[in-house]
Amino acid sequence: SQQGEEDPQALSIQEGENATMNCSYKTSINNLQWYRQNSGRGLVHLILIRSNEREKHSGRLRVTLDTSKKSSSLLITASRAADTASYFCATDFGSSNTGKLIFGQGTTLQVKP
Amino acid sequence: NAGVTQTPKFQVLKTGQSMTLQCAQDMNHNSMYWYRQDPGMGLRLIYYSASEGTTDKGEVPNGYNVSRLNKREFSLRLESAAPSQTSVYFCASREWGFGGELFFGEGSRLTVL
Repeated sequence: SQQGEEDPQALSIQEGENATMNCSYKTSINNLQWYRQNSGRGLVHLILIRSNEREKHSGRLRVTLDTSKKSSSLLITASRAADTASYFCATDFGSSNTGKLIFGQGTTLQVKP
Repeated sequence: NAGVTQTPKFQVLKTGQSMTLQCAQDMNHNSMYWYRQDPGMGLRLIYYSASEGTTDKGEVPNGYNVSRLNKREFSLRLESAAPSQTSVYFCASREWGFGGELFFGEGSRLTVL
């Protein structure tokens, strides 16, 4: 089964609202990453949080990591119609020279103008 | 700078036919990955290559083989295609091991009839 599970599977909000997506995982990780995918395109990296970090910011993105609960959340503030996309968490684990990166099932975000 | 290039972009096969998906990156990355994406399943790791000369199974390796031809190229082969292998396939690469972001190609859409 997949390492990461995301919640909700789909989210629809109005422009200007905040969007929160959650990711839970099963085993110990080295870091957790979030990616975005526009329809029909490849994934694009958004942000990485290491296992010894609790919170990280990048522009309108805020990521938290709770290793005791094996969970992470991605918050997009002041959403825009252009934020409409699918968002995936990916857990990075294994030894230093293997680097297996496993993705969750994703959250589809629709931001209505 | 092309990044990660996948060929072909689209392919239709009949059950039992074989084919190879090609992937090349020009970022001098050590690690390369093959994922498949199916509706509602997110991305699932098929095989990866942490470095030139090594390959490892991911979550769903059955029915596939890979070759790390050199540092730039990582191919995925379907020896006897099955309808269950209808999917969008993504190649990705990143710097050594864990801790770095993945760079994705635009995907190869494969249909097996």
